[in-house]
Amino acid sequence: GDSVTQTEGQVALSEEDFLTIHCNYSASGYPALFWYVQYPGEGPQFLFRASRDKEKGSSRGFEATYNKEATSFHLQKASVQESDSAVYYCALSALNYAQGLTFGLGTRVSVFP
Amino acid sequence: DMKVTQMPRYLIKRMGENVLLECGQDMSHETMYWYRQDPGLGLQLIYISYDVDSNSEGDIPKGYRVSRKKREHFSLILDSAKTNQTSVYFCASSLSGQGATEVFFGKGTRLTVV
Repeated sequence: GDSVTQTEGQVALSEEDFLTIHCNYSASGYPALFWYVQYPGEGPQFLFRASRDKEKGSSRGFEATYNKEATSFHLQKASVQESDSAVYYCALSALNYAQGLTFGLGTRVSVFP
Repeated sequence: DMKVTQMPRYLIKRMGENVLLECGQDMSHETMYWYRQDPGLGLQLIYISYDVDSNSEGDIPKGYRVSRKKREHFSLILDSAKTNQTSVYFCASSLSGQGATEVFFGKGTRLTVV
């Protein structure tokens, strides 16, 4: 079946550091790719998506580019703030049929002032 | 205000009791979902509903059933709860179930089965 792998389980950063979270996927078809963010006591919230090769998704200073050849969708942010502390999930969904989202295990990001 | 509402937020049940988790959405979304979230396992899909009375098993349906009699409501039922069903349960909805559609999640129900 489809799967998503996030390399980093936890990341600790200082404010204004550069953030990268690596996401690779395995899917039988051509999926849509997503990043979701989850704050304590909340459900996951949509951050952005991309649905075709080389498309860049972005929101709130975060960005990721769909790379079909490398099967990757790495999340980056140039300068993190303490308010970016959260758990980030990479996810995929089939483009042409309804199967729900398949999530990675998540990356806990802690940003210290 | 676009939201998914889950009730209750916290629930403690004894093993063998029946459990009903309720979910509502105010966006007229066709598709609704139930996920559970566990440490080390992430979010796993239990059931997906494409519309009223049109439900399909997800990745981990065993021990659960669902009911959707109105488009805006989707219930998760545990008949005879087990301790390994202790988890945080998230309901979600989307305009359609296909591809690049944004999925909206509720705040979750933390269920403890003792």
